[in-house]
Amino acid sequence: AQKVTQVQTEISVVEKEDVTLDCVYETRDTTYYLFWYKQPPSGELVFLIRRNSFDEQNEISGRYSWNFQKSTSSFNFTITASQVVDSAVYFCALMRGGSNYKLTFGKGTLLTVNP
Amino acid sequence: SAVISQKPSRDICQRGTSLTIQCQVDSQVTMMFWYRQQPGQSLTLIATANQGSEATYESGFVIDKFPISRPNLTFSTLTVSNMSPEDSSIYLCSVEDPLIGAFFGQGTRLTVV
Repeated sequence: AQKVTQVQTEISVVEKEDVTLDCVYETRDTTYYLFWYKQPPSGELVFLIRRNSFDEQNEISGRYSWNFQKSTSSFNFTITASQVVDSAVYFCALMRGGSNYKLTFGKGTLLTVNP
Repeated sequence: SAVISQKPSRDICQRGTSLTIQCQVDSQVTMMFWYRQQPGQSLTLIATANQGSEATYESGFVIDKFPISRPNLTFSTLTVSNMSPEDSSIYLCSVEDPLIGAFFGQGTRLTVV
């Protein structure tokens, strides 16, 4: 069975602080995909990143960076110099490879960035 | 990637009525997915919709309550039937495939009064 655990339920930071959202996953598959989504108060789910299980390279996109470590089954997300607009719920998700590829979501982390 | 247009974006409905949510994809896709997100919760998969066949429902969800149509490869609807306040949630459709990833509609915020 697939499982995604987002360690922090809520995080509150002050603007310009760096913040890391943790995601730990469980799967027996060798091929799988990991995702991060942002859900602002409007409710839409905004795609941030997709990473496959064979690509452990870390990725940076502007103020966002992701650290994928298969050895610890973790896919952590860091926001550098946080801004108020980063306030949202962030979801980590796991997709199996192959034909049975439903998404499994973590419970989400509510990030509040205070001015 | 896939672009999904979902409507309505929000609605307030009377208990006992039904609401149909529509999702239009900008390309042909094999499967579409419908999720419910109750207040403060994560996403829960309701069903998977294949074109030309009945939808496959997850445990706890039934066709009578959440009938789904999938008339072609770019469109799907979800109906929330005989609504009660407990159905107040965000409903989202998605397109998911290991080759392209997973993309979501804008969501429908439903309030049942």
